[in-house]
Amino acid sequence: AQKVTQAQTEISVVEKEDVTLDCVYETRDTTYYLFWYKQPPSGELVFLIRRNSFDEQNEISGRYSWNFQKSTSSFNFTITASQVVDSAVYFCALRRTQGGSEKLVFGKGTKLTVNP
Amino acid sequence: KAGVTQTPRYLIKTRGQQVTLSCSPISGHRSVSWYQQTPGQGLQFLFEYFSETQRNKGNFPGRFSGRQFSNSRSEMNVSTLELGDSALYLCASSLSQGPNEKLFFGSGTQLSVL
Repeated sequence: AQKVTQAQTEISVVEKEDVTLDCVYETRDTTYYLFWYKQPPSGELVFLIRRNSFDEQNEISGRYSWNFQKSTSSFNFTITASQVVDSAVYFCALRRTQGGSEKLVFGKGTKLTVNP
Repeated sequence: KAGVTQTPRYLIKTRGQQVTLSCSPISGHRSVSWYQQTPGQGLQFLFEYFSETQRNKGNFPGRFSGRQFSNSRSEMNVSTLELGDSALYLCASSLSQGPNEKLFFGSGTQLSVL
């Protein structure tokens, strides 16, 4: 079975601090996709990044960076110099590549509050 | 380009009633999936449609059903509502149904069952 664990339920930081959101996943598959989504107060989930299990390169996009470590089954997300607009719930998700159409399995999410 | 549109935004129903939620995907997207979000269970997959066919179904009772039309618009129906059905129902669309597809979500329909 697929499972995604986000151990941090809520995190509160002060603006300009760096913050890392943890994501640990479980799967028996050798190939899969990992995702991060952001859910602002308006409700819609916004896609942030997709990572193929074969690609362990870390990625940086502006203030966002992702650290994928297959050996520890982790896909952590770091926000550098956080801003108030980063306040949202962040979800890590896993999707199989085998068996045809497969659902996206989400973690429970981490609520990030960035205070001015 | 318009995003995923879900209607209505809010719904209040009573136990035993039924409800229909609507989702219009991004133009050109052929895959639509539905998720239920609750504080306790988080985001749970309901079902996915592609080209009017249900491709995958989550672990929900038969009271939850859905369909997709030829224009890719989708509806989901919940019959005999229970208090536990109160949730945010999110619809997502993607170009196709591949595992690497990015999902584009709507703002959801907040259903309250009294």
